Amino acid sequence: SQQGEEDPQALSIQEGENATMNCSYKTSINNLQWYRQNSGRGLVHLILIRSNEREKHSGRLRVTLDTSKKSSSLLITASRAADTASYFCATALSGGYNKLIFGAGTRLAVHP
Amino acid sequence: GAGVSQSPSNKVTEKGKDVELRCDPISGHTALYWYRQSLGQGLEFLIYFQGNSAPDKSGLPSDRFSAERTGGSVSTLTIQRTQQEDSAVYLCASSFEVADYNEQFFGPGTRLTVL
Repeated sequence: SQQGEEDPQALSIQEGENATMNCSYKTSINNLQWYRQNSGRGLVHLILIRSNEREKHSGRLRVTLDTSKKSSSLLITASRAADTASYFCATALSGGYNKLIFGAGTRLAVHP
Repeated sequence: GAGVSQSPSNKVTEKGKDVELRCDPISGHTALYWYRQSLGQGLEFLIYFQGNSAPDKSGLPSDRFSAERTGGSVSTLTIQRTQQEDSAVYLCASSFEVADYNEQFFGPGTRLTVL
């Protein structure tokens, strides 16, 4: 079964708006990673946040992690049409070896 | 430098045939992972290699699936007697070493269609 669940499943916004995607997971983790996938093929790593971190920034991306609630959020600010893609959270479990467990993803559509 | 490459990019086969999918990781990456993505779904872990050894094969769906890695580099995922439910995109990823902070770099995937 999937470790992570993204919410919402689909999100449609206008350019310039912010997009927030949430991820929940079930078991203890070493880290949580967010990936982007265009056209159902290659995945691009966006950001990794470790279990002892609470917030990370990378350009227009902001990721938060709340281990007490077993949840994470990805915020994309000032969205662009080029941000249209599917976004996945993936967790690396504690005591593991960085095997990633993926959620089903959020499909983001940014309209010009 | 070159990223992770996979071949073929697309494979159409008939039910019951065997297929081999190839992954060339980034040079120097000791860890290699295979995932499968069915239509509209997230990625499902299949198998992990550290060097040539596969400590975790727990994600392989059945004994029709096997994988090997030689020379700590190229990996081959073999599916015997393919079934229609094997149709998916098979993705390979590699990373420098097994650690809790290492980013995995993904290849473009092989889209397998079993008729």
